[in-house]
Amino acid sequence: LAKTTQPISMDSYEGQEVNITCSHNNIATNDYITWYQQFPSQGPRFIIQGYKTKVTNEVASLFIPADRKSSTLSLPRVSLSDTAVYYCLVNFNKFYFGSGTKLNVKP
Amino acid sequence: DTAVSQTPKYLVTQMGNDKSIKCEQNLGHDTMYWYKQDSKKFLKIMFSYNNKELIINETVPNRFSPKSPDKAHLNLHINSLELGDSAVYFCASSNRDYTDTQYFGPGTRLTVL
Repeated sequence: LAKTTQPISMDSYEGQEVNITCSHNNIATNDYITWYQQFPSQGPRFIIQGYKTKVTNEVASLFIPADRKSSTLSLPRVSLSDTAVYYCLVNFNKFYFGSGTKLNVKP
Repeated sequence: DTAVSQTPKYLVTQMGNDKSIKCEQNLGHDTMYWYKQDSKKFLKIMFSYNNKELIINETVPNRFSPKSPDKAHLNLHINSLELGDSAVYFCASSNRDYTDTQYFGPGTRLTVL
């Protein structure tokens, strides 16, 4: 079972770039890495997904090194509205979300 | 239009009661899920249905029984509610299977007194 490890919480200020790293040492060859965002009192929402190297969309970038044992979600110039819990998900067979990283963006 | 909807949003009940949570998705997806999120924000899969067939059944007490009358609906019935069942329950759906992006409902906060 490919469990994930993320920091429990992070603080940042508006306008800064935030990088959240997820460790997944036992990732399988066919596993993708997916990040979800969850605001209070809402369900998780898909942000980005990748398999290797770098993926970028209008919301974030995802960096995955060659060994794929970790991944980094990068949020450019965060705002107060980016305050949320961010989940790293691998091993689709078991849907292990973990407890996520609580990002607190301060003014 | 809400893509994945759940009712009720809040549910407060006494120990020993039986309750149901309903979920509907209008995305035309084949697969639906139930997750439980505890107070520490751990989000754990409970069940998954693909085209009305149960495909994932994690270690969940027999008191929990999912029912899928059609592929757009997945309801969760809980018998003999216990204090430890208090949590937020999320329904989700994905297009074909678990490799696709999951779309979550707003959640049902269950409080057992």
